[in-house]
Amino acid sequence: DADVTQTPRNRITKTGKRIMLECSQTKGHDRMYWYRQDPGLGLRLIYYSFDVKDINKGEISDGYSVSRQAQAKFSLSLESAIPNQTALYFCATSRGDYNEQFFGPGTRLTVL
Amino acid sequence: DQQVKQNSPSLSVQEGRISILNCDYTNSMFDYFLWYKKYPAEGPTFLISISSIKDKNEDGRFTVFLNKSAKHLSLHIVPSQPGDSAVYFCAASPDETGANNLFFGTGTRLTVIP
Repeated sequence: DADVTQTPRNRITKTGKRIMLECSQTKGHDRMYWYRQDPGLGLRLIYYSFDVKDINKGEISDGYSVSRQAQAKFSLSLESAIPNQTALYFCATSRGDYNEQFFGPGTRLTVL
Repeated sequence: DQQVKQNSPSLSVQEGRISILNCDYTNSMFDYFLWYKKYPAEGPTFLISISSIKDKNEDGRFTVFLNKSAKHLSLHIVPSQPGDSAVYFCAASPDETGANNLFFGTGTRLTVIP
């Protein structure tokens, strides 16, 4: 079944470490997104990509970078993790002509 | 600045009764609204949407109402079932086509008591 997958599902790391979260999709969607969810703050957009050659900053991009390796793959990197990046991270995809987004299962990241 | 607000962090309802989840927005350019449902350890899943040309959209037990003049929308679940217990996010966008991103509210945790 067409799906959005995220790896890892859980990760504990230390301050200053570099970490990469990966997202893959089999929906054939052009658009991919990275969000973080924090208690009381809802879902906030970090980066988004409308196609392989298009990368855009979202609301809270500082401290993060992304790579769109292929239509199906969109990775989020924390170059030097800090404790306030502890959160639940979601990848999402959408078609180019319709605004319904499909979410992956999430990655719970803890930075000690 | 939170453009989409869900002022009730939590709501408890008896099984069989109506659940009403509310959402307010500040940006008058928003024209398309969605509700997502999220279970623990899963990503949000799309539930129902409404375009600003309508004031109501219904899908089974779920109905979304939109009051553009008040910049307010609500999700009604009738009758509520224990399986509806989840966090509900409302989201808004200036358009339905995907040319613009979604702006999410902070979520309301619904608990349906058997």
